[in-house]
Amino acid sequence: GAGVSQTPSNKVTEKGKYVELRCDPISGHTALYWYRQSLGQGPEFLIYFQGTGAADDSGLPNDRFFAVRPEGSVSTLKIQRTERGDSAVYLCASSLLAGYSTDTQYFGPGTRLTVL
Amino acid sequence: DAKTTQPNSMESNEEEPVHLPCNHSTISGTDYIHWYRQLPSQGPEYVIHGLTSNVNNRMASLAIAEDRKSSTLILHRATLRDAAVYYCILKNQGGKLIFGQGTELSVKP
Repeated sequence: GAGVSQTPSNKVTEKGKYVELRCDPISGHTALYWYRQSLGQGPEFLIYFQGTGAADDSGLPNDRFFAVRPEGSVSTLKIQRTERGDSAVYLCASSLLAGYSTDTQYFGPGTRLTVL
Repeated sequence: DAKTTQPNSMESNEEEPVHLPCNHSTISGTDYIHWYRQLPSQGPEYVIHGLTSNVNNRMASLAIAEDRKSSTLILHRATLRDAAVYYCILKNQGGKLIFGQGTELSVKP
């Protein structure tokens, strides 16, 4: 079946601009996660949705970052007033059994964001 | 979630077994040990997880020390496609994964 998909695969923008990154999770997965990965580092957690609501947004670095999942499926990560330090690969993952320590997360290929 | 320690890098020869160690001396009784790997230019992928007993699946085996303060991911016959960064992660509830630096495995033909 289809895995997690993310669009666009690459996004180049200028400092100060607004960007939206989209994630389509695996059908039926109730949990959706956003991570970002800087070069040479492991992925860093941003936010996690259970259904339509954000269950944990403790990883969002500041109020320029916002994410929504209005219908409990597709999610959009929104970054306002982008800064060069926002350049990274943004990864999305979904899982079926959120709330369990045994649940497996399935990752998309990521969106590479470059802020010039 | 408790912290894990892994070597930064390891090398292996193709078709030989690989043992990737992970130390987690502060593990709690409810922490599961998860392993993910990330191939170049891809998102991470799940490999295996366990609690106390050793586990096997089609990708790898997980050997867990009796005191659970360490574990080892075993790839029985490394292939060139196994070259990746391997992450050992402790998880005791749903939600986020906390990734460390991982071990970068290189496989030589």
